Amino acid sequence: DQQVKQNSPSLSVQEGRISILNCDYTNSMFDYFLWYKKYPAEGPTFLISISSIKDKNEDGRFTVFLNKSAKHLSLHIVPSQPGDSAVYFCAALLTSGTYKYIFGTGTRLKVLA
Amino acid sequence: DSGVTQTPKHLITATGQRVTLRCSPRSGDLSVYWYQQSLDQGLQFLIQYYNGEERAKGNILERFSAQQFPDLHSELNLSSLELGDSALYFCASSAHRLPGANVLTFGAGSRLTVL
Repeated sequence: DQQVKQNSPSLSVQEGRISILNCDYTNSMFDYFLWYKKYPAEGPTFLISISSIKDKNEDGRFTVFLNKSAKHLSLHIVPSQPGDSAVYFCAALLTSGTYKYIFGTGTRLKVLA
Repeated sequence: DSGVTQTPKHLITATGQRVTLRCSPRSGDLSVYWYQQSLDQGLQFLIQYYNGEERAKGNILERFSAQQFPDLHSELNLSSLELGDSALYFCASSAHRLPGANVLTFGAGSRLTVL
């Protein structure tokens, strides 16, 4: 039962353009959603998060949008830079009841110079 | 350096064997998580400990066990190893202050190869 899904395994974008990474979830009780970035031979690192009571959070070039009715979130990177090339994981966190911290399968982003 | 230390970085062993992966969390973090990443798979949650006690359990096989010691380091024990256990095993830690988004700090992982 994959509760957090990233349906695009890979994405290529030209430098300077917008990168949009998508994530769908099934459990409407998740409290927070987070994005992590992973470079080869390293562990994932935290990028940005959003509370379930918000619909947008912005941090520099990174913006996360949450559509609760569609159970969908997206990460926008503008402008994309070659250094953004990495695997991006979305994660969903449920803090009440049975604690859950679930990751999606990841999307490999390649930013072309 | 994330502050989370995992050893060993690489491990090659044979089917049927047993291995122990070790994790030292970031200083001050009380919570430790273990995740498994197989080829082309996401991060599969195995188990979480908070201050020495099991807090949450994911898809952890019965052949696998873990514990968190009084000094807060954690060990993941994998026994009766099978080819399918070959994967990257990540440990992550957090301060686990609720409420709020609980940000995880990951180690670099331990790559296990079962031949």
